[in-house]
Amino acid sequence: DQQVKQNSPSLSVQEGRISILNCDYTNSMFDYFLWYKKYPAEGPTFLISISSIKDKNEDGRFTVFLNKSAKHLSLHIVPSQPGDSAVYFCAARLEGSQGNLIFGKGTKLSVKP
Amino acid sequence: DTEVTQTPKHLVMGMTNKKSLKCEQHMGHRAMYWYKQKAKKPPELMFVYSYEKLSINESVPSRFSPECPNSSLLNLHLHALQPEDSALYLCASSQDMTVNYGYTFGSGTRLTVV
Repeated sequence: DQQVKQNSPSLSVQEGRISILNCDYTNSMFDYFLWYKKYPAEGPTFLISISSIKDKNEDGRFTVFLNKSAKHLSLHIVPSQPGDSAVYFCAARLEGSQGNLIFGKGTKLSVKP
Repeated sequence: DTEVTQTPKHLVMGMTNKKSLKCEQHMGHRAMYWYKQKAKKPPELMFVYSYEKLSINESVPSRFSPECPNSSLLNLHLHALQPEDSALYLCASSQDMTVNYGYTFGSGTRLTVV
């Protein structure tokens, strides 16, 4: 049973608009959530993270929102750029798991010029 | 140097072969990880080394044998693999196992078992 779910396999957005990538989780013992971006033939690249005690973290064009009661987080990219086209993975760390990240299946974002 | 380097990038091996995957980082990270990623699936943790000691083994079959010769190097020795072991093998590192701001991943080794 998947503990981290990204229900949209793909998302297409116009350049300059907002991209919203969603992630749901089932385990209330996750204490950190991370977003990774992956280009073809490259390893995942860390983007941004959020602690379970916060509800928002912002870094430049990237903002992650956490709704703990709904067990939902989202990544907002504003404004979207063609170079943002990649697969985005949501990952969660189990409290006390010492380094084990559980990844979602990923959402492929396409930003059209 | 802010990279994790994995070699080879591609590997094709027969079921009776013995091969090794290599991973190297010079960021002073003391935790290193092996992940396996099948097509259209998320990465799944295989092993974690912390301060050169095996810390986590996620019930991986013994045909996969990890080794951490020093703090910069992580190997994955492969022997008698099955075709279903074909996947992208990703190495990652972090300062230690407690970090929450993300790991650095290598580009992976694309393994095909024939």
